[in-house]
Amino acid sequence: GESVGLHLPTLSVQEGDNSIINCAYSNSASDYFIWYKQESGKGPQFIIDIRSNMDKRQGQRVTVLLNKTVKHLSLQIAATQPGDSAVYFCAENGSGYSTLTFGKGTMLLVSP
Amino acid sequence: DAGVIQSPRHEVTEMGQEVTLRCKPISGHNSLFWYRQTMMRGLELLIYFNNNVPIDDSGMPEDRFSAKMPNASFSTLKIQPSEPRDSAVYFCASNRDRGAKNIQYFGAGTRLSVL
Repeated sequence: GESVGLHLPTLSVQEGDNSIINCAYSNSASDYFIWYKQESGKGPQFIIDIRSNMDKRQGQRVTVLLNKTVKHLSLQIAATQPGDSAVYFCAENGSGYSTLTFGKGTMLLVSP
Repeated sequence: DAGVIQSPRHEVTEMGQEVTLRCKPISGHNSLFWYRQTMMRGLELLIYFNNNVPIDDSGMPEDRFSAKMPNASFSTLKIQPSEPRDSAVYFCASNRDRGAKNIQYFGAGTRLSVL
């Protein structure tokens, strides 16, 4: 039969718009979260992290928001650029010491 | 810093052949992780090492897969014999074990095609 691939959620935006990528995590005991960006043909790259004692953290053009009540994480990218086109993964600290558990990813497509 | 270095970048082989993937972690990092990425299953942790010792290999799919870390600057992931379903991108990542912060730095990956 036909194999079913992993259908990534896709967010399409225009250059200059703000983008919001969402992630639901599973473990209420997780206390550390990371966002990664993966461009085509490359490995995941660290963008920004946040600990559970915070609900917001800002970087350069990116902001991560954490809502522990509903186990939700979001990544906001301001003034999105074509170079932001990639798959974005959220990750939480995993069950093993020093490990991470990755989400399925969201594809961001930025059109000029 | 050169980052995590993986080789080869691409590997095409025939079913039944042995495949060896290589990884050089970032100098000073003491944890190393092997992942497999496919469209079907996303990014899966296969095995990780801490101070060159395998800590958890529960993600290794079968006995055909094995990994070693003979020293702090080198690790291999071996598949013997390889099968078409092993086709995937394999990533190596490393981090400096600092407890609460688990930022892992990834290599560029090895794209494996088993025909």
